[in-house]
Amino acid sequence: EAGVTQSPTHLIKTRGQQATLRCSPISGHTSVYWYQQALGLGLQFLLWYDEGEERNRGNFPPRFSGRQFPNYSSELNVNALELEDSALYLCASSPGRRPIFDNSPLHFGNGTRLTVT
Amino acid sequence: QKEVEQNSGPLSVPEGAIASLNCTYSDRGSQSFFWYRQYSGKSPELIMFIYSNGDKEDGRFTAQLNKASQYVSLLIRDSQPSDSATYLCAVHPPGSARQLTFGSGTQLTVLP
Repeated sequence: EAGVTQSPTHLIKTRGQQATLRCSPISGHTSVYWYQQALGLGLQFLLWYDEGEERNRGNFPPRFSGRQFPNYSSELNVNALELEDSALYLCASSPGRRPIFDNSPLHFGNGTRLTVT
Repeated sequence: QKEVEQNSGPLSVPEGAIASLNCTYSDRGSQSFFWYRQYSGKSPELIMFIYSNGDKEDGRFTAQLNKASQYVSLLIRDSQPSDSATYLCAVHPPGSARQLTFGSGTQLTVLP
C-alpha cells in the first residue's frame, strides 16, 4: 500500500512569492491534514480537508490556504511568503471524519521543506 | 496552559536501560492518544496508540494511560541507539475538530 506522498521534497522561494505544495493521501483515505513544523518547534496544525471541504483551520493567517480535489489529493498554497514561513510542511491522511474513524491515527508523508530567502 | 505538554529534554539513557517519556493533556474529554517517533529531518511515524486506561504493550514499547490524572506515558525497554529520536505525544480532542494536537516532543538520546 502506497503511503502519503508529498511534492516537491524541497522548495526554495523568495520573500513575497507564492508556494504550492501537493499531497496525495493513502488510497481510501478521505481526510487530509496539513501541519507546519518550524525548526526546533512542534507540529502546528494548519488545515484539515475531508471529502472536498475545509473542515477546520489552525491559527494561521489567510495567506495560508488550500483545497482538496475530487480524488482526495490536496494542495497547500502560501501567498506573500515571509521568511518565517520557512519550515517543514507535513501532510497526513486518515480514513475520514465519520464517527467510526474518530480514533484513527494520522499517517504522515515525508514532507516538503520550504525555504524562503 | 498548553493543550499537550511534554518535557523537551534532552533525555539521555544508556543502551539497554528503560527510557520513560511523559505527556500531560488539558482536555479531560480527550479519547485517543498517540505516540509518534520523529528522526531528525524526517516525518513522524506512528509507534503506538492507546484508548483505554492502563497499559498497552507492543514489543519493547509500553504505553500507559491515566485519564483521571490526564497523563500518558511511553516506556521503551532495552533502549537501543536506534531509538534516539524525538518522541511526539498527540491527542485527539473531543468535538468537531478532529485534528490531532501534538506536544512539542521529547528528544531522546540512547548512549552506546
